Amino acid sequence: DAGVTQSPTHLIKTRGQQVTLRCSPKSGHDTVSWYQQALGQGPQFIFQYYEEEERQRGNFPDRFSGHQFPNYSSELNVNALLLGDSALYLCASSSGLAIALSYEQYFGPGTRLTVT
Amino acid sequence: AQSVTQLGSHVSVSEGALVLLRCNYSSSVPPYLFWYVQYPNQGLQLLLKYTSAATLVKGINGFEAEFKKSETSFHLTKPSAHMSDAAEYFCAVGPSGAGSYQLTFGKGTKLSVIP
Repeated sequence: DAGVTQSPTHLIKTRGQQVTLRCSPKSGHDTVSWYQQALGQGPQFIFQYYEEEERQRGNFPDRFSGHQFPNYSSELNVNALLLGDSALYLCASSSGLAIALSYEQYFGPGTRLTVT
Repeated sequence: AQSVTQLGSHVSVSEGALVLLRCNYSSSVPPYLFWYVQYPNQGLQLLLKYTSAATLVKGINGFEAEFKKSETSFHLTKPSAHMSDAAEYFCAVGPSGAGSYQLTFGKGTKLSVIP
């Protein structure tokens, strides 16, 4: 049973560029959340997708946007990249029922984004 | 609003010694609490969770944590440290209210195990 997968593993971009990160949830999961983990910090919630819609959003600017596809996979898009966007981006998945009962989420290995 | 405070950004213990990682939380609603572990260049792995059942929670790899409402704490312990326990540990709390599903994380505690 494959867990949460993310691609690419690493990415280097230049300031002002746009980037798309991808996530496939664990089998049987329909809810995907994205977190940003800056160096030396804990993960911070960006947003969550359920039934192809953004269900909740954290304190991130509109440059951060996302999408969820009918197969439950998800993309995170970041426009007009800033140096401060350099971080590990983590995807977490859960089932809609489980997250309502226990808020448990399963994390992928992350995508390391470096903005130069 | 929710918050998590992890006391000690870096903890060192000798192999075989007790591991104690501290976590205090703030929540306006009954909390669900989690401990995750992160090995270098990897994602987060769930160690254990508290979801309002037993206050003493047992997790994987011999770790356990005790929910103490009066102290707003959820400290992580392991009786005997192993070299493979060296990693970063994150305490998290959820939710922040009705219709909220996000986890709020602490800044993490890096555990070093000395042979």
